Amino acid sequence: GENVEQHPSTLSVQEGDSAVIKCTYSDSASNYFPWYKQELGKGPQLIIDIRSNVGEKKDQRIAVTLNKTAKHFSLHITETQPEDSAVYFCAASTRGGGNKLTFGTGTQLKVEL
Amino acid sequence: DTEVTQTPKHLVMGMTNKKSLKCEQHMGHRAMYWYKQKAKKPPELMFVYSYEKLSINESVPSRFSPECPNSSLLNLHLHALQPEDSALYLCASSQEISAGGQNEQFFGPGTRLTVL
Repeated sequence: GENVEQHPSTLSVQEGDSAVIKCTYSDSASNYFPWYKQELGKGPQLIIDIRSNVGEKKDQRIAVTLNKTAKHFSLHITETQPEDSAVYFCAASTRGGGNKLTFGTGTQLKVEL
Repeated sequence: DTEVTQTPKHLVMGMTNKKSLKCEQHMGHRAMYWYKQKAKKPPELMFVYSYEKLSINESVPSRFSPECPNSSLLNLHLHALQPEDSALYLCASSQEISAGGQNEQFFGPGTRLTVL
C-alpha cells in the first residue's frame, strides 16, 4: 500500500518568513495530493490540493509543488503569520483506491512574533 | 451549507456503555467517512460509505458499528469499548467516489471520546 513520509516534524519560523514542508510517497499510481491544516481542538481543514496532471498550484500565500518523477510534493507558505501556527498534514490518494487518503505524520508549524 | 457537523463534541463513557456518534452534512455529498485520530498522530481511516453502502472497512473491531441511515447522516455506534479507544473521532464527506479521480474530503470538528 501507499506510504507517505513528511518532514520536518516541527518547524519554527519568524513572522514574515517562508515555511516549507516536504512529503514523499511510495505508490507511483497516486494522483491526488491534498494538504490539511489542523488547529488545536479542531478537525483538519483542506487548504490546498494538487492533482498529478499539474506541477504547481498557488492560492494567495500558499503553494504546492509536485515532482512525479521523484515522488515528492511540498507545501510553501510565504509571509507567515501567527495564525498559520498549526499542525499540517500531507496526504496521497490513488486512482481506484476508493478515495482513501494516506496521511503523512504531520508537521507542527510555529510562527513566532 | 459547506459544513460537516458532529455531535457530541465530547463524550465520556464506561467500558460497558453503549453510545453513538453522529455526523451530518448538507452538501449533497454521497461519500462519508469515519476516521480515528490519536494525539499527535494523523487521522486513520476506519470506514467509508458510498451511496449509503459500506464500501471500505479497515479491519475495525466489531465494537465499532457504523450506520448510514440516509445520504446526509452517518452514525458510529460504540459498545464495550476499551480505554485505548479513547481518541478524536472525525467524520468527513466528499462527492461521489468514482474511478475517474479523487474528490476533496471535508472534515467535521470531531468528537473527543474518553473511555474509562
